[in-house]
Amino acid sequence: DAGVIQSPRHEVTEMGQEVTLRCKPISGHDYLFWYRQTMMRGLELLIYFNNNVPIDDSGMPEDRFSAKMPNASFSTLKIQPSEPRDSAVYFCASRVASGELFFGEGSRLTVL
Amino acid sequence: GQQVMQIPQYQHVQEGEDFTTYCNSSTTLSNIQWYKQRPGGHPVFLIQLVKSGEVKKQKRLTFQFGEAKKNSSLHITATQTTDVGTYFCAGVSGTDKLIFGTGTRLQVFP
Repeated sequence: DAGVIQSPRHEVTEMGQEVTLRCKPISGHDYLFWYRQTMMRGLELLIYFNNNVPIDDSGMPEDRFSAKMPNASFSTLKIQPSEPRDSAVYFCASRVASGELFFGEGSRLTVL
Repeated sequence: GQQVMQIPQYQHVQEGEDFTTYCNSSTTLSNIQWYKQRPGGHPVFLIQLVKSGEVKKQKRLTFQFGEAKKNSSLHITATQTTDVGTYFCAGVSGTDKLIFGTGTRLQVFP
């Protein structure tokens, strides 16, 4: 298996622009997590899905952030409009119930 | 909400010295996982502990889960330069939500 695949790996955009991050989980994994990592705040859980259904989105910073999982093999995290404080590495991870998390390589976002 | 703290935040050691990081949760955990993240990389799973008081070993690494299932530790014996990275614990309580600790960054000098 190719592992968790994220795109883009790097994104540089200007404040106010829409950003869409994409994730393909490992086939057969029924949980998908989105984390954000910064030096100041560490690894923050933004949202997680079980069987494509959002279970807990209490970590989503504000209404500018939204996440979807239209099917078992694809998820998106969207920021609209983006702000400089959104600059971070965004990780997608998947797993089976009670199993280990497999992380993607991450998407490094820079908002100017 | 649930919080998971780790100490120390940073640790610099000479190669060959031992290293320990401690993880403390504000709530009782159903299980705890440990991850390692190399500089510029992504977190990689090391181990999962489930039982109260459980101790597991992986070569030079020893993992322990506290009796009250609210704390855990990772001990590395005789560190090597390959041990460099940030070590995270991740706690699960109640639901399947994994909350990561604040991490301990280990630097090993040859």
